[in-house]
Order: sequence, then C-alpha cells, then structure tokens
Amino acid sequence: AQSVTQLGSHVSVSEGALVLLRCNYSSSVPPYLFWYVQYPNQGLQLLLKYTTGATLVKGINGFEAEFKKSETSFHLTKPSAHMSDAAEYFCAVSGLGGSARQLTFGSGTQLTVLP
Amino acid sequence: DGGITQSPKYLFRKEGQNVTLSCEQNLNHDAMYWYRQDPGQGLRLIYYSQIVNDFQKGDIAEGYSVSREKKESFPLTVTSAQKNPTAFYLCASTVLNQPQHFGDGTRLSIL
Repeated sequence: AQSVTQLGSHVSVSEGALVLLRCNYSSSVPPYLFWYVQYPNQGLQLLLKYTTGATLVKGINGFEAEFKKSETSFHLTKPSAHMSDAAEYFCAVSGLGGSARQLTFGSGTQLTVLP
Repeated sequence: DGGITQSPKYLFRKEGQNVTLSCEQNLNHDAMYWYRQDPGQGLRLIYYSQIVNDFQKGDIAEGYSVSREKKESFPLTVTSAQKNPTAFYLCASTVLNQPQHFGDGTRLSIL
C-alpha cells in the first residue's frame, strides 16, 4: 500500500524567493517518486522523477527534488520563483513489481507567486 | 507529435443520462488510465487497462464503465448511477517503467 502527504494545500512566495513544496510518502516497496505540475484547465505535466540512483533529481524549469529514504520525503525546490511557476503541484508515488504502474497522488499544493 | 487527445473539453449531462468521454493516444503505450479530479482531493483512479480487451477497477469505479477494444482508445462512460459526476476527468497512458503521460482533460458538469 502507498500513500502521499503534501504539507500545505496553498503556498505563497514572492517572485525571486525560494520555492519549497513538501511531500512525504509511505510505501511497502522501494518507491518511484514523481512531481507533476498542472496549469488551470490542463492536464498534468511531469516535472521530474526518481526511480533509482542519484537521490538529487533535476527536472524542468529549474526545479529539483531530493529523495530522502530515512525521512520518507521527496520535497520539491526551486531557488528563485518566477511568476510563471504559479500552478498546482502534485507529488505521486508508485511501487515496483505488479503495482509498478499504479500511481498514488497527493492532494496537491497550489503555488502562488507574488510580485 | 505524439500525445493523448481527450474530447470533448467540456461536457454537460442531464439527469438520468449516460455520457461517454473519449481518450485517444498515438504514443503506442500499452497501459491507459482514467482519473477523476475534485478540488482539494488530488487525482483518484477510476479504471485502468494494461492490455487490449482487459481492464481493472480502480478506487472509485462505481457508476463508471470502460472498454479497451483498441490499443489507442480507452473511452469512459459516466452512467446515471454516478450520482455526483461533476468533476475534471483526466486520461493518462504509459509503457513499463515510464512516467504516465496525461491528456488535457474533460470537465463534466450537470445541467
């Protein structure tokens, strides 16, 4: 069984400030972890993924995330927020083996970027 | 360009009516999925299919039905048994060990 908790349904940052979106997961098997971004009335776009190997993962648009097994976390960061980063962000987990393709999503974090 | 096409973008349902949402992909992906998205609840899995002519229920399958007669198509029918169908519906597809790729969604409302 898998679950994802995203702390903070709404996060506001000033333009140019650090973006930190929190994600904690639980999984009975080694997880695959994902961050997706959703703009209004659109589908989800993959930002980055962790499968195996390097625990610091770099994605598109300057985002990165670090897999911390001991903390069961996969927080998303960006050093300097841009107005175009305003969107909803979803963390997701899938397991290996028979459930490899089943994604469990967090409830999402709405990011607002203030001028 | 390869991708997933969902249609229509907006759909309205009358009481007692079944409606069908279309999902077509030209990515040659084996697996396809339907999710329902409600505000503040993230995405919840309705049905998924890993091969043609086979599909499994997800977490919230009641009131929905699907078919998978062709690899590229996975239509979702919202039946009259679904009492609260107003939501944003997302279709996705993937191949083994790859992230899921999403369509742009269909917003269903009740008249």
